[in-house]
Amino acid sequence: GAVVSQHPSRVICKSGTSVKIECRSLDFQATTMFWYRQFPKQSLMLMATSNEGSKATYEQGVEKDKFLINHASLTLSTLTVTSAHPEDSSFYICSAREPRGTSTDTQYFGPGTRLTVL
Amino acid sequence: GENVEQHPSTLSVQEGDSAVIKCTYSDSASNYFPWYKQELGKRPQLIIDIRSNVGEKKDQRIAVTLNKTAKHFSLHITETQPEDSAVYFCAASYTGNQFYFGTGTSLTVIP
Repeated sequence: GAVVSQHPSRVICKSGTSVKIECRSLDFQATTMFWYRQFPKQSLMLMATSNEGSKATYEQGVEKDKFLINHASLTLSTLTVTSAHPEDSSFYICSAREPRGTSTDTQYFGPGTRLTVL
Repeated sequence: GENVEQHPSTLSVQEGDSAVIKCTYSDSASNYFPWYKQELGKRPQLIIDIRSNVGEKKDQRIAVTLNKTAKHFSLHITETQPEDSAVYFCAASYTGNQFYFGTGTSLTVIP
């Protein structure tokens, strides 16, 4: 299957700082990427849909000014957590979907980024 | 929007027994239903999926059934093995759009 990478895998930062997480599709072009947040022992909560070359679509309750998403190319989407606070500590996972016209609607997930805000 | 419910939240079975996890969805427009397995601290891995034009799909020890009328779908794992222990998530989506995940089922296979 397709491979999605995420960087960094772990990050610890001080409260008030910003953190950027990268999501890359390694062997396919992804016009659409998704960002999820997962708390311990809980499900994946969709935060936003990232479309190459256009603004991201945020789910209800997700602050777009706090979670900045940029999908500048067909293989890279970034999530920036601005002015991070301890309550932003979580496991952030991205996924990528192959372009329409391919054989699947499947999303391929990155390995996740563990963010800890002190 | 779509709402996906998943049961049970935890499931323990003896090795060799079968495990069944059930999900319901609310949006009749949803037409793609994947199942993911997630081990602790790792990424979700697709294990099987089904589209709305199919009622059942099998892949070795894993099968998924879909009842469009009742808006529910189930994952069946036969001859369970300890390495099947993980958290399983169902999801529903409409033609490549965003996934809405169920709440997850923590499966423990007891040797």
